[in-house]
Amino acid sequence: GAGVSQSPSNKVTEKGKDVELRCDPISGHTALYWYRQSLGQGLEFLIYFQGNSAPDKSGLPSDRFSAERTGGSVSTLTIQRTQQEDSAVYLCASSLSPRSSGQGASFSYNEQFFGPGTRLTVL
Amino acid sequence: LAKTTQPISMDSYEGQEVNITCSHNNIATNDYITWYQQFPSQGPRFIIQGYKTKVTNEVASLFIPADRKSSTLSLPRVSLSDTAVYYCLVVPNRDDKIIFGKGTRLHILP
Repeated sequence: GAGVSQSPSNKVTEKGKDVELRCDPISGHTALYWYRQSLGQGLEFLIYFQGNSAPDKSGLPSDRFSAERTGGSVSTLTIQRTQQEDSAVYLCASSLSPRSSGQGASFSYNEQFFGPGTRLTVL
Repeated sequence: LAKTTQPISMDSYEGQEVNITCSHNNIATNDYITWYQQFPSQGPRFIIQGYKTKVTNEVASLFIPADRKSSTLSLPRVSLSDTAVYYCLVVPNRDDKIIFGKGTRLHILP
């Protein structure tokens, strides 16, 4: 079946321009996550959605960053007035739900499935 | 959220067994230990998770001692294609986000 898709795969923009990054999660996955990864670094959490609502926006680095999700499916991450430090790979992931369930032998972890990422370069 | 500590990088040779240890001293009673693998230019992918003792699947084994303050990911007979970054995560058993650290960059040599 189709996995998580992201577009564009690469985006080069000039400093000060706005950019929109798109994520199509796996069908039926209610949870959606955005991460940012700079070259050689680990993943930096940005925001997660449960359905169309975002219970946790704590990772957004500044008010230039915003995200929305419509119809419990597609999500868009928007970066306004881009800066050179925004250059990174932006990864999207989805899971059945953010909540794991059960304990012990009955534990069910809803693993996150990642897309290929969007490489953003701000000149 | 429990913090994890793992080596920044490791080198090994093809055919060797590789063990990557992760410390998570403040793991909570209901937290689970999970490992992801990330190949260059790809997003991470889930490889294994466990609560205690030993878990094995077709990719790896996960050893967790009784105090659960650490865990060891074991990759048997590695090949060049196992070169990747390996992330140790502590997953809370509640509605919460998980945190990816910087991971361990594993480099397999011929």
